[in-house]
Amino acid sequence: SQQGEEDPQALSIQEGENATMNCSYKTSINNLQWYRQNSGRGLVHLILIRSNEREKHSGRLRVTLDTSKKSSSLLITASRAADTASYFCATALDYKLSFGAGTTVTVRA
Amino acid sequence: GAVVSQHPSWVICKSGTSVKIECRSLDFQATTMFWYRQFPKQSLMLMATSNEGSKATYEQGVEKDKFLINHASLTLSTLTVTSAHPEDSSFYICSASVASGTPSYEQYFGPGTRLTVT
Repeated sequence: SQQGEEDPQALSIQEGENATMNCSYKTSINNLQWYRQNSGRGLVHLILIRSNEREKHSGRLRVTLDTSKKSSSLLITASRAADTASYFCATALDYKLSFGAGTTVTVRA
Repeated sequence: GAVVSQHPSWVICKSGTSVKIECRSLDFQATTMFWYRQFPKQSLMLMATSNEGSKATYEQGVEKDKFLINHASLTLSTLTVTSAHPEDSSFYICSASVASGTPSYEQYFGPGTRLTVT
């Protein structure tokens, strides 16, 4: 079942700018994960943040998690044209992943 | 490491026929595999969870007689869409969890299979 809501649904930015997207969820979680999907392709795992973590970095990615607000954010810094894709958050509980609706990011050259 | 493949990558079939999609973990053993369905411009919806050697657990609203799942080994799970109809046209994605002594919630996703039923 889908429990995450992502905001915004779509985002268009200039190359070099930062992109921020948010994810809210409803139930308790073990961890929250972010994935990228290029059009018509499979998912690429970006980053996992555990429920007892508040912030995590991986390259140009920064993820925050606020379990009290049941929300997470993904920041992509210094965006590139290759970052154009759909980004999904997924909450993990009891071995299952529940995906958000996704944010479509377009990076203009 | 942790590569998951799917075959075929795309398939077109006629209404009423059955289609089998394979999901393989290439370099690891997967105790659990998951099957998702994704409609255009929408999110992934979990269809079922399969554990090696046991029956799959289907999510609410998913017809188990229509979507047959077999997880015969630690590296292979299959999804068979039986008596396919145009409304079954979708992008089907599998994922696999790495077998480990403690729960691991990281899933590795296959590239997906585009099914078109005419």
